[in-house]
Amino acid sequence: AQKVTQAQTEISVVEKEDVTLDCVYETRDTTYYLFWYKQPPSGELVFLIRRNSFDEQNEISGRYSWNFQKSTSSFNFTITASQVVDSAVYFCALRDSGSRLTFGEGTQLTVNP
Amino acid sequence: EPEVTQTPSHQVTQMGQEVILRCVPISNHLYFYWYRQILGQKVEFLVSFYNNEISEKSEIFDDQFSVERPDGSNFTLKIRSTKLEDSAMYFCASRAPTGPKEQYFGPGTRLTVT
Repeated sequence: AQKVTQAQTEISVVEKEDVTLDCVYETRDTTYYLFWYKQPPSGELVFLIRRNSFDEQNEISGRYSWNFQKSTSSFNFTITASQVVDSAVYFCALRDSGSRLTFGEGTQLTVNP
Repeated sequence: EPEVTQTPSHQVTQMGQEVILRCVPISNHLYFYWYRQILGQKVEFLVSFYNNEISEKSEIFDDQFSVERPDGSNFTLKIRSTKLEDSAMYFCASRAPTGPKEQYFGPGTRLTVT
């Protein structure tokens, strides 16, 4: 069965600090997809990124970057020069052979001014 | 940009009552989903729906729950006899038939069972 672990329940940083959110996953499938979603205080779930299991290239989008390592089953997310607006709960999720997304417990990120 | 919409945004109901939560997925999407999130907890999969039938459901999705696509645009989740523990945020999501595999989520319906 698939599983996603986000060991960091809460992280608090000061604005402009870099912060990395960890995600470790388990699946028996060789083809799978990994995702990050952001849930701001307003409650909606905002899609951030998707990676395929066969594409280990890291990705950068503005202040966001993602490090996918199959060898350690990790898909970590880094925010560079954090801002107050980055404060949210961040969820890592996995979809393998089924149709469901399996979410991690989420990491509450608080960026203080 | 097209988006998933959900109504109502907040529903309060008494235990034992039936509720229907409504969703309008993105128009060219063919895969539909319901998830729920109990306050302060992670998002949990309930059911997926494709080609007018359930393609996968979780252990949470018991006989009290049902889904329907009554017309070409709406996708509904019905809870027949609500329990206190059904209080949660319910998210609808949809995905395109080809191309990107990400699911796009609606803003959610907060269900409060009293």
